[in-house]
Amino acid sequence: AQKITQTQPGMFVQEKEAVTLDCTYDTSDPSYGLFWYKQPSSGEMIFLIYQGSYDQQNATEGRYSLNFQKARKSANLVISASQLGDSAMYFCAMRGLGNQGGKLIFGQGTELSVKP
Amino acid sequence: EAQVTQNPRYLITVTGKKLTVTCSQNMNHEYMSWYRQDPGLGLRQIYYSMNVEVTDKGDVPEGYKVSRKEKRNFPLILESPSPNQTSLYFCASSLSFWGSYNEQFFGPGTRLTVL
Repeated sequence: AQKITQTQPGMFVQEKEAVTLDCTYDTSDPSYGLFWYKQPSSGEMIFLIYQGSYDQQNATEGRYSLNFQKARKSANLVISASQLGDSAMYFCAMRGLGNQGGKLIFGQGTELSVKP
Repeated sequence: EAQVTQNPRYLITVTGKKLTVTCSQNMNHEYMSWYRQDPGLGLRQIYYSMNVEVTDKGDVPEGYKVSRKEKRNFPLILESPSPNQTSLYFCASSLSFWGSYNEQFFGPGTRLTVL
């Protein structure tokens, strides 16, 4: 069965510093996609970044990068130069890319607080 | 504006009173899905639909029904709501489920309380 684990319920980071949010996963699918979403206190879900299991390079989107280590089954989100507006819940998610592609599973989330 | 809309945004109801939460997208997406979010559990998938008239169960389908008669709409039906269905519900859509990159666009959420 597929599973996503985020082991950090809450984290603090100083403004302008980098922070890494951990995500480990388990799947038997040969190909899969990994996503990170941000949920600010207002409640909406905001897509941040995507990594495909066969992508050769780690994904980057502006200040967000995904540290993908396939052998370790980890897909950590790195936020560089943290800003106060980065304070939010962050969710890691995964889905298979074959005929199980309809199922998307989420981790429990990490609440990030950025200190001025 | 490309978007996923949900109605109502907030609902307080009583046990056993049937309700429907509507979801509509204007992006011609094939794939739509419903999730519930509960503290400490993240988002859990209830049902999903890969196209019109094609639906399948997610991880927590008990107590819910869905239908996909049109591409743009994917209503969530609670035939006999119970207090354990009190939650924040999200509808999402994506262009397809197949392939390498299919970002899901989320609706604003519906906060449901069942007394």
